[in-house]
Amino acid sequence: KNEVEQSPQNLTAQEGEFITINCSYSVGISALHWLQQHPGGGIVSLFMLSSGKKKHGRLIATINIQEKHSSLHITASHPRDSAVYICAVTGGGSNYKLTFGKGTLLTVNP
Amino acid sequence: DAGVTQSPTHLIKTRGQQVTLRCSPKSGHDTVSWYQQALGQGPQFIFQYYEEEERQRGNFPDRFSGHQFPNYSSELNVNALLLGDSALYLCASSQGSGYGYTFGSGTRLTVV
Repeated sequence: KNEVEQSPQNLTAQEGEFITINCSYSVGISALHWLQQHPGGGIVSLFMLSSGKKKHGRLIATINIQEKHSSLHITASHPRDSAVYICAVTGGGSNYKLTFGKGTLLTVNP
Repeated sequence: DAGVTQSPTHLIKTRGQQVTLRCSPKSGHDTVSWYQQALGQGPQFIFQYYEEEERQRGNFPDRFSGHQFPNYSSELNVNALLLGDSALYLCASSQGSGYGYTFGSGTRLTVV
């Protein structure tokens, strides 16, 4: 079992829809990251969370530490939101690496 | 303010050759991590450099080595290239640990 699980793997939506991507993890963490990757491209950091909720524009990220679960929401989705969304965690203590989920491929159709 | 710069962007090498990839971190960042991303997969941690030393290493063979310079830039070296080393190599910089990461656009390595 992977340490970081994402669902769904693929998601197709119509423009304007509300989107939710889920992430569960099985290890202790110091922080959880939501990242965006366009096909063939580099990775952009969207959020880093250790508790609660963060909002940036149409993007909202939440985390529940007790349940080891995080969600990324996109309101009023747009075709330019089409990308792979990746959940990654940073372990605590001397574990500095990012452990990545497999990603969710989001396609927003006009 | 420049972000993370990686060079080259694309590279084609032959099996058995050696390759060096380069990364300049974001201004103010002192920590550099390297990741390998095979096609259709999530990135895998190779190693992290801090204060010119390898602080943590992932499950990669000794053919993968690195270096960090006093200006915090870093190199990833891969010896005796295999076809399976074909991947996107990503560099991420941060300010110490416990802070957010900034990623470069990656180097696409193809081994033929």
